[in-house]
Amino acid sequence: EVQLVESGGGLVQPGGSLRLSCAASGFDFNTYWMSWVRQAPGKGLEWVAHIKPDGSQRYYVDSVKGRFTISRDNAKNSLFLEMNSLRAEDTAVYYCAGGIGDRWGLGTLVTVS
Amino acid sequence: AIRMTQSPSSFSASIGDRVTISCRASQGISTYLAWYQQKPGKAPNLMIYSVSILQSGVPSRFSGSGSGTDFTLTISGLQSEDFATYYCQQYYSYPRTFGQGTKVEIK
Repeated sequence: EVQLVESGGGLVQPGGSLRLSCAASGFDFNTYWMSWVRQAPGKGLEWVAHIKPDGSQRYYVDSVKGRFTISRDNAKNSLFLEMNSLRAEDTAVYYCAGGIGDRWGLGTLVTVS
Repeated sequence: AIRMTQSPSSFSASIGDRVTISCRASQGISTYLAWYQQKPGKAPNLMIYSVSILQSGVPSRFSGSGSGTDFTLTISGLQSEDFATYYCQQYYSYPRTFGQGTKVEIK
């Protein structure tokens, strides 16, 4: 069974940092492009970052460039999002997603306040 | 960034209705378009990719069409489990962008 399980969310003050993790199982993680997508409370979906299977290419939405870093550890079937200089507008549920968007985690809530 | 605009933002429909949701891209995206369904408190669920290819397990009452900049999601015979919010997303270029969503409510 394909599973993506996010962790690491929580309450953080503006300017603070958090590291989100996503544990993958049930598929060949090291062959999949992986993404982080977020959803602010009551709002729509926003794509945040994308990483190639071997980690050699990474892409970000402009609003997080220079503050967020996506990375992965294929040996541990894990995806990460390092978030620095957090702002109130980063408050959202953060989803880990894979492949063509056919696999998603349940999300982890980040609150910046 | 490519802007994705959905219409309408919300509407009410009845069981059995045929409904259509439109998605317009601010520039051509070829066929790099997906549709997601999201229910409250749940993760999005991929319904259609490459404009018209149904994801495995998606009922055949769902269909997608379009090319270039204009795309449509059609539900032929709305069922109770279809009441949800639908998002289009382009994956032609970075940043990937979603439409603002269309909420389908029960009339």
